[in-house]
Amino acid sequence: AQSVTQLDSQVPVFEEAPVELRCNYSSSVSVYLFWYVQYPNQGLQLLLKYLSGSTLVKGINGFEAEFNKSQTSFHLRKPSVHISDTAEYFCAVSPHGGSQGNLIFGKGTKLSVKP
Amino acid sequence: SAVISQKPSRDICQRGTSLTIQCQVDSQVTMMFWYRQQPGQSLTLIATANQGSEATYESGFVIDKFPISRPNLTFSTLTVSNMSPEDSSIYLCSASLAPGELFFGEGSRLTVL
Repeated sequence: AQSVTQLDSQVPVFEEAPVELRCNYSSSVSVYLFWYVQYPNQGLQLLLKYLSGSTLVKGINGFEAEFNKSQTSFHLRKPSVHISDTAEYFCAVSPHGGSQGNLIFGKGTKLSVKP
Repeated sequence: SAVISQKPSRDICQRGTSLTIQCQVDSQVTMMFWYRQQPGQSLTLIATANQGSEATYESGFVIDKFPISRPNLTFSTLTVSNMSPEDSSIYLCSASLAPGELFFGEGSRLTVL
C-alpha cells in the first residue's frame, strides 16, 4: 500500500519570497508522483508530474519539484511566489502498473501568499 | 487536456434523500473516476466508472450507497443515496487521458442537514 504525507498543513509566505512545500511518500513498489493545485472553489489542476527520467521536474506557473528516491520525497518549490499562487496544493502518488485513476493523495498544504 | 463539467456545483439536501451528480467531459475518455473530499481531508477514490459495465468500487464504498452510471465515453453520474450528514463532502469527477494524468471537474459541494 502507498501513503503520502504532506508535512505542513498551512504555509504562510510573503509575496516574492521562495517557498517549498514538502511531500514524503511510502510505497513498496515504484510510483509515479504528482502535484495538483486547487484554487478556491475550483477543481484540481495538474501542476507537474514525475513518471521517469530527470528527477527535476518543471511544471506550470514557475513551479518545480525534485524526486529524491533515497528520501522518498517529492518537494515542490517556487523561487518567487505571487498573490495568485494562494491555493491548496496536493501531492499524490500512483503505483506503477496500477489503475490510472487510483491516485493516493496527501492531505494538502494551504499556501497563503501575503503582500 | 480535457474540460470536465459537473452539476450541481453545490446543493443542500435533507437527511434520507438522494442526489445525483452529473459529469460531462468535452472529449471521449476511456477512464472516468469519482472522488470524495471530506472537510479538511484529502481526496479518496470512490469508484471507477466503467463504460458499459458496472462501476468498480474501492474498499469502503458500495453500489447501494453510491450507484454510478456510465452510458457513454463522455458522461457519468454519481448518486449519493439515503444521505446523512456524514455524506457532506465535495464530490469530484475525473477523467484520465494518459497514465496518471487526471483531469478534474470543479466538484459538487454537498451539504446534508
